[in-house]
Amino acid sequence: AQTVTQSQPEMSVQEAETVTLSCTYDTSESDYYLFWYKQPPSRQMILVIRQEAYKQQNATENRFSVNFQKAAKSFSLKISDSQLGDAAMYFCAYRRQGAQKLVFGQGTRLTINP
Amino acid sequence: GAVVSQHPSRVICKSGTSVKIECRSLDFQATTMFWYRQFPKKSLMLMATSNEGSKATYEQGVEKDKFLINHASLTLSTLTVTSAHPEDSSFYICSASYPSGVVETQYFGPGTRLLVL
Repeated sequence: AQTVTQSQPEMSVQEAETVTLSCTYDTSESDYYLFWYKQPPSRQMILVIRQEAYKQQNATENRFSVNFQKAAKSFSLKISDSQLGDAAMYFCAYRRQGAQKLVFGQGTRLTINP
Repeated sequence: GAVVSQHPSRVICKSGTSVKIECRSLDFQATTMFWYRQFPKKSLMLMATSNEGSKATYEQGVEKDKFLINHASLTLSTLTVTSAHPEDSSFYICSASYPSGVVETQYFGPGTRLLVL
């Protein structure tokens, strides 16, 4: 069974600095998708960024980018120029191609220090 | 696009009563919707996958007679917690699959906080 591991339960960063959240996953599949979701205090889950495993180029969305290392089964999220509104729980998720279900990691709580 | 709503946002009920939670895709048709449960400071736990027009697929350990799911249309799925008890108190989240580009992506509702007294 596929598993997703986020080894950092909590992270903190100074406002305007850069922070990287770690995510590793275990799968024997070659075709899959990876996602980062953000859950702020409102508890609304918001899609931050996604990556198709067949793409070598790392996905980027404004201040958010990923470092996708397929061989190492690593999918870290980099947040540049951190803002107070980035404070949230961040969940890494995996979905096998052809499957419907997401497999979530345990989450990382990110605190932004003003 | 890809907006999912949930109603109610919070509900308090007495033990033994049933509670219905609605999940709607507002600007797209969702063949597949999902129901999750989230305990405080924990990750999301998938309860069931709901496909329009067919029976829901429940995850292991989830009582299908306790958590009734109906996906009657392409924009509406409902979760009914039957004979609710205090241990059913939790945060329930739905999501809907949307073909965003070439990748089916789940978009989430805002969640429903259930408190059973």
